[in-house]
Amino acid sequence: ETGVTQSPTHLIKTRGQQVTLRCSSQSGHNTVSWYQQALGQGPQFIFQYYREEENGRGNFPPRFSGLQFPNYSSELNVNALELDDSALYLCASSYERGPYGYTFGSGTRLTVV
Amino acid sequence: AQTVTQSQPEMSVQEAETVTLSCTYDTSENNYYLFWYKQPPSRQMILVIRQEAYKQQNATENRFSVNFQKAAKSFSLKISDSQLGDTAMYFCAFMNPSTGNQFYFGTGTSLTVIP
Repeated sequence: ETGVTQSPTHLIKTRGQQVTLRCSSQSGHNTVSWYQQALGQGPQFIFQYYREEENGRGNFPPRFSGLQFPNYSSELNVNALELDDSALYLCASSYERGPYGYTFGSGTRLTVV
Repeated sequence: AQTVTQSQPEMSVQEAETVTLSCTYDTSENNYYLFWYKQPPSRQMILVIRQEAYKQQNATENRFSVNFQKAAKSFSLKISDSQLGDTAMYFCAFMNPSTGNQFYFGTGTSLTVIP
C-alpha cells in the first residue's frame, strides 16, 4: 500500500464538540506528524509521534491530542472545538525521524460553526 | 524560534518562461535543511526540492533549482520552462532535526502559469 490517506475529507462540527481525524500511513512509516493549516497560511506543527510515543509538540493547547497505532494509522483528537480550529489538518509520515522522506496526505477540512 | 518569510503572496508567469520565488528565514543554527513544497488544489504537499545547509552547491531537480545564500539566509526557487501543471501554492520550509523534527513553513506564494 502506498500513499497517506486521511479521513474524512471534509467535516463540519459545532463549537464545543469533539472531533477525531484519522490518518493511514504507508506501511513501515514509524513517524507521523500533524499540521494545522489555516486559510491563507502555511501549515503549523501540532505534534509528532514516533513508534507510538509523542516525540515533539508545537504551540497547541492540551485539547489537541493524538494517538499512533501499531498498524501505522494515527488519530488527531480535538476537544472543546473553537471557531479558530477551522482549518485544513494535514498528516505527514516517514520511515524515521529526520528531514527526509515525508509523505503528506491530502488533509481533512474541518469547519467549526 | 525559526521563522520563514515569503514576501510574494501571488505571482504569475507565462508558459515556458522562468520565474523565481523568494524565501528568507531566520535561525541561529548552523546545520539545517530547507525545502520547497508545492500544494496543488488536491491539497497534498509535494516535495519539489531540498537543500542541506552544509552543502554549498545549489540543489537542482530537472526544471527546478534553488539559489541558497546561507549568509543572507535566503533560499529562492527558480522554475524554468514553466508548465501549466506548475500552477499551485508554493511553500518554503525549514527544519533543524537537532531541535525538533518539525517543518516551519512560510505563508506561501500562489503561482499561476498563464497559457
